[in-house]
Amino acid sequence: SQQGEEDPQALSIQEGENATMNCSYKTSINNLQWYRQNSGRGLVHLILIRSNEREKHSGRLRVTLDTSKKSSSLLITASRAADTASYFCATDSSEQAGTALIFGKGTTLSVSS
Amino acid sequence: DTGVSQDPRHKITKRGQNVTFRCDPISEHNRLYWYRQTLGQGPEFLTYFQNEAQLEKSRLLSDRFSAERPKGSFSTLEIQRTEQGDSAMYLCASSPGQGANEQYFGPGTRLTVT
Repeated sequence: SQQGEEDPQALSIQEGENATMNCSYKTSINNLQWYRQNSGRGLVHLILIRSNEREKHSGRLRVTLDTSKKSSSLLITASRAADTASYFCATDSSEQAGTALIFGKGTTLSVSS
Repeated sequence: DTGVSQDPRHKITKRGQNVTFRCDPISEHNRLYWYRQTLGQGPEFLTYFQNEAQLEKSRLLSDRFSAERPKGSFSTLEIQRTEQGDSAMYLCASSPGQGANEQYFGPGTRLTVT
């Protein structure tokens, strides 16, 4: 079953604009991760935020986590055509750390030049 | 390249045939995971190994599916009597087994059952 749900399902922007994707989940977590997947390929790990963190940055990426609302957001600033991909949030259960990740359905981002 | 590798990258098989996929994790990663991804969906967990021990299996893993990690290094996933519904991308991931559960994914094996 899918734990997380990303919103929006699809997003189209111009190069240089910012892209914001949201993720909601259902159960308590240890951490939340964001992955990128280019068409037909494996997933690339982008960033991990722990349940006791509220915000984290990595290059052009900014992730926030609100455990009270069970939600997270991924902001990509100054987007580039190469950012075109599907983005997934993934969580693991606080009851069984280090085991299965539960993914949402993803947000498909298209960045046009 | 020391990332996760998977073989084959693509497999086309006829319904009823058996197929086997291989995953080589990042060296010294204790944990190895198998996921399945269908079009338009996120990956769904299938099973997980800590070294050679298979510690968790999803209900998605029917009795036609079996996975092994005999020496705690590479892993194989076998599907017997394939069905058209088995067509999907099969993803393998590994993690160090310490600290946060960052998983590193391979390129996947795309299975098409005709």
